[in-house]
Amino acid sequence: NAGVTQTPKFQVLKTGQSMTLQCAQDMNHEYMSWYRQDPGMGLRLIHYSVGAGITDQGEVPNGYNVSRSTTEDFPLRLLSAAPSQTSVYFCASSYEGTLNYGYTFGSGTRLTVV
Amino acid sequence: RKEVEQDPGPFNVPEGATVAFNCTYSNSASQSFFWYRQDCRKEPKLLMSVYSSGNEDGRFTAQLNRASQYISLLIRDSKLSDSATYLCVVGGVERFGAGTRLTVKP
Repeated sequence: NAGVTQTPKFQVLKTGQSMTLQCAQDMNHEYMSWYRQDPGMGLRLIHYSVGAGITDQGEVPNGYNVSRSTTEDFPLRLLSAAPSQTSVYFCASSYEGTLNYGYTFGSGTRLTVV
Repeated sequence: RKEVEQDPGPFNVPEGATVAFNCTYSNSASQSFFWYRQDCRKEPKLLMSVYSSGNEDGRFTAQLNRASQYISLLIRDSKLSDSATYLCVVGGVERFGAGTRLTVKP
């Protein structure tokens, strides 16, 4: 039972670098999301997907791209890293969307941009 | 007003105490609500859903008050292992509260 797997667990980037945070789930969940968590601000939705081939913006999408080519994978791309993107990133999935079902979260990626 | 607001705490209670947290939400059309638990430097984990009729799971009780637009979480007979941050969530619109930190002391 892998659940939601995120890689890497830790990453340090220089300002301006790009990278991809990986997220995979093996529960056949249609709904997947990316959140960032900053101290005192809770989790904020970056992007989400209701199924393969469909993505949409969340609350704080600027500076991030996503794609959903398969049900299992939902990578998050940082286009040009900035210090303001230093955060903990969580990927989450849900059976049919979170109106009726809660999320299963990955263990997170701690990103520092210097 | 924030969409979802929680008292950040910390709540420091002795073992065996009863403690309650509230979470207010701004969108009166919100349909679903959840409580999550998050341990330090870990991912959030679903604790329980909040139904209109209330929901009880062992020592935990969740309530919804639509008229006043808040949900609550009651923990009875607190254990040391209950120490964590508790996050409330408005489902569908994916809005998380910032969390309430609970520390249960011996």
